[in-house]
Amino acid sequence: GAGVSQSPSNKVTEKGKDVELRCDPISGHTALYWYRQSLGQGLEFLIYFQGNSAPDKSGLPSDRFSAERTGGSVSTLTIQRTQQEDSAVYLCASSLERDTEAFFGQGTRLTVV
Amino acid sequence: DAKTTQPNSMESNEEEPVHLPCNHSTISGTDYIHWYRQLPSQGPEYVIHGLTSNVNNRMASLAIAEDRKSSTLILHRATLRDAAVYYCILRGYQGAQKLVFGQGTRLTINP
Repeated sequence: GAGVSQSPSNKVTEKGKDVELRCDPISGHTALYWYRQSLGQGLEFLIYFQGNSAPDKSGLPSDRFSAERTGGSVSTLTIQRTQQEDSAVYLCASSLERDTEAFFGQGTRLTVV
Repeated sequence: DAKTTQPNSMESNEEEPVHLPCNHSTISGTDYIHWYRQLPSQGPEYVIHGLTSNVNNRMASLAIAEDRKSSTLILHRATLRDAAVYYCILRGYQGAQKLVFGQGTRLTINP
């Protein structure tokens, strides 16, 4: 596709359930980022993948959050035992190399009820 | 990560120039200055970036102070569509390359 694709666009889940959010970066982009944005707040960095290097997980808020990037392309952000405070828009971005512009997807709006 | 400071909000009128300031007094020699903006209900989009020299592109201009401790994003002729939150970000060339967003400046454009 032409841009970063995220799915689903909206997800409603019950508290305590696990969810998986998917990100398809732009083809050939080696860097991939995950952020979350709570209502009316700024972007909170979660995790960063760069090529074959070990990911920077310094932004993950708890061990309920994990992310994988398989084959250097698609990434999945998993949230286990979801809590109401996990409700937010989760944004994914990719860039060609580590110092070039990042392109963002439209996000996944997660609502935990 | 080196920190940036921006005003929380600014207001301007349509068709007038807008100067959005950013202070980054702890910038290192290898830090690039990036600007992104986030339109309502959308993901952020890249605006411009630079290292030392002033930069121009179709969206905006970036003026970088000689000591690199501050920079200004210039929108030459604001439109209503430019109403957004503008983020100034320092991004090192070496080491960790994560893109860390601060609170940004919320720009309001009056018709």
